[in-house]
This record gives sequence, C-alpha cells and structure tokens, in this order.
Amino acid sequence: NAGVMQNPRHLVRRRGQEARLRCSPMKGHSHVYWYRQLPEEGLKFMVYLQKENIIDESGMPKERFSAEFPKEGPSILRIQQVVRGDSAAYFCASSPNRDSSYTFGSGTRLTVV
Amino acid sequence: DQQVKQNSPSLSVQEGRISILNCDYTNSMFDYFLWYKKYPAEGPTFLISISSIKDKNEDGRFTVFLNKSAKHLSLHIVPSQPGDSAVYFCAASAIQGAQKLVFGQGTRLTINP
Repeated sequence: NAGVMQNPRHLVRRRGQEARLRCSPMKGHSHVYWYRQLPEEGLKFMVYLQKENIIDESGMPKERFSAEFPKEGPSILRIQQVVRGDSAAYFCASSPNRDSSYTFGSGTRLTVV
Repeated sequence: DQQVKQNSPSLSVQEGRISILNCDYTNSMFDYFLWYKKYPAEGPTFLISISSIKDKNEDGRFTVFLNKSAKHLSLHIVPSQPGDSAVYFCAASAIQGAQKLVFGQGTRLTINP
C-alpha cells in the first residue's frame, strides 16, 4: 500500500516561471491537503480539496497560486510567475474522510533562483 | 499571529533519560491536538494525539499531557532513544474537525549516547 506520493522531490525554477507540484493520495483517500513549510518555520495550511472540489482555500495566497484535484489523476498545486519567496517545502497529505487524521507525503522542495 | 508556539527551537537529552517537549496555544477554539515527528527530507509522521476532553494520552514510550486552563501541552518520551532524534511539531485543530491543522515552529530533539 503505497503512501502519499509527491513529485518531483526537488524542483528548481527561475523567477517568473511556473511550478507544478503533484500529489497522488493514498489508495482509497479522497481528501487532500496542501501545506507549505518555509525555512525554520512550521507547516502552514494552504488548501483542502476533495475530488473535483475545493473545500477550504483560506491559506492560499490570493494571487499566483491555484490547486485542483480532478476526478482522475493527482492533485496539482500550481504556482505561476514564481518569486524567491515561494522557495519552500510543499507537503501534501491525504485522508479517507474529513474526520480522520491524515498521512503526509515526503514533500516537494521548490527552489526559485 | 502565532496560534501554536513551541518556544524551544532545540533540546538535547541523554539516551535513556526523559525528553519533554512543550507547546502553548492561544486559540480557545482548539479542541484536538497532535504531535508529529519529522526526519530531514521526509514528511511529518503522526505520533500521538489528544482530545480536549482528556488531560493525558499514552502510547508506549510517548505520553501527551494537556492543561486546558494554561493552554499548554507537552510530549514526554521515556526512555529516550537515538532514533528519537528528529524535529517534533505540535499541531492543533478547531471544533470543526481535523481538516485544517495549525502547526508550531517545531523543536529539534537530539538524543546523545
């Protein structure tokens, strides 16, 4: 039973480019959460999605960031026109329902140069 | 607005002794608390949790204590082992459910042989 799979593990982008981070939840999990960890800080909630629906995006920056979890395929966190301040570790987690504790993936480390 | 605080960035403990990690919170709406352990280049791993209706929860070497009046919780690890060396995050969620966790900044625990 594979865990939460995130790819790529490391992503380098130049300022102004787009970054796409992928998350495949655990089998049977239909709830996905994205968190961001800036250097020397804790994880900060970004967005909570179910299949084809955004449930809570209260932690998402208002511009340049978007997330989706289509009926088929992985969840995608998209960052347009990246800036240096977007450099962070982005973690995805999944759960089978809204009341269960969730399992984190190993993260994608985004570096903007 | 740091709603969950871990005031000790690091802690060093001798193998076999007790490790005590502390966490304070400010939001009285939090009713569920969790501890996660994180190794470098990996995602957080769930350790133990406690509901606000309890003041103690124990799982093997790990015990979490909750003092609601002080808005304080602590994680005790006894006896400490070298494999416990990691960053420990305290997290909290509000009555609405566990979908959105608020994390502390983390405490780096080092167990010395």
